[in-house]
Amino acid sequence: AQSVTQPDIHITVSEGASLELRCNYSYGATPYLFWYVQSPGQGLQLLLKYFSGDTLVQGIKGFEAEFKRSQSSFNLRKPSVHWSDAAEYFCAAGSARQLTFGSGTQLTVLP
Amino acid sequence: IAGITQAPTSQILAAGRRMTLRCTQDMRHNAMYWYRQDLGLGLRLIHYSNTAGTTGKGEVPDGYSVSRANTDDFPLTLASAVPSQTSVYFCASSDGTSGREEQFFGPGTRLTVL
Repeated sequence: AQSVTQPDIHITVSEGASLELRCNYSYGATPYLFWYVQSPGQGLQLLLKYFSGDTLVQGIKGFEAEFKRSQSSFNLRKPSVHWSDAAEYFCAAGSARQLTFGSGTQLTVLP
Repeated sequence: IAGITQAPTSQILAAGRRMTLRCTQDMRHNAMYWYRQDLGLGLRLIHYSNTAGTTGKGEVPDGYSVSRANTDDFPLTLASAVPSQTSVYFCASSDGTSGREEQFFGPGTRLTVL
């Protein structure tokens, strides 16, 4: 069965610190991979996506993610977190017709 | 450009009542989706539609039905609501069905079934 695991339910970082959010997937073949962000009371917004090619993907708001096939991982990173990055982050893996989401990681940013 | 609108924003419903959640997109996207979001479970697909006139079942379709009479609208109906259907419901759309396309999400409907 297809699954996406985000091991960290909640992460707290200080503003200006670096950030890494973990994501592991289980799929029959390499799926399409996405990171979405959800601000409080809002819908989800796409940060970045990976289909093939360069395993380091750049997204919006200064985020990047690295695909590692050997580890079935697609971790999200940001070198310096801003207070406005506080939100919930969802990793998703998909193929035609089906997008499977992880359970999300809630990010708190301390001043 | 509104993108995706959902109505109502929130609703409290008595168990056993019928409820339709509305979703409208103005991007002329072929595909539309309904998800429910529950704490600790992320988003789970309820139903989807790849094009007007067709629908399909997602991961958690029981107790829900959808229709897609035209490109823009994709209502979700709970025929007889139960408390386990208390959730936040998100409608989404995408311009294509290959799986590579970004899904655009509405603001959500918070539904409480008592």
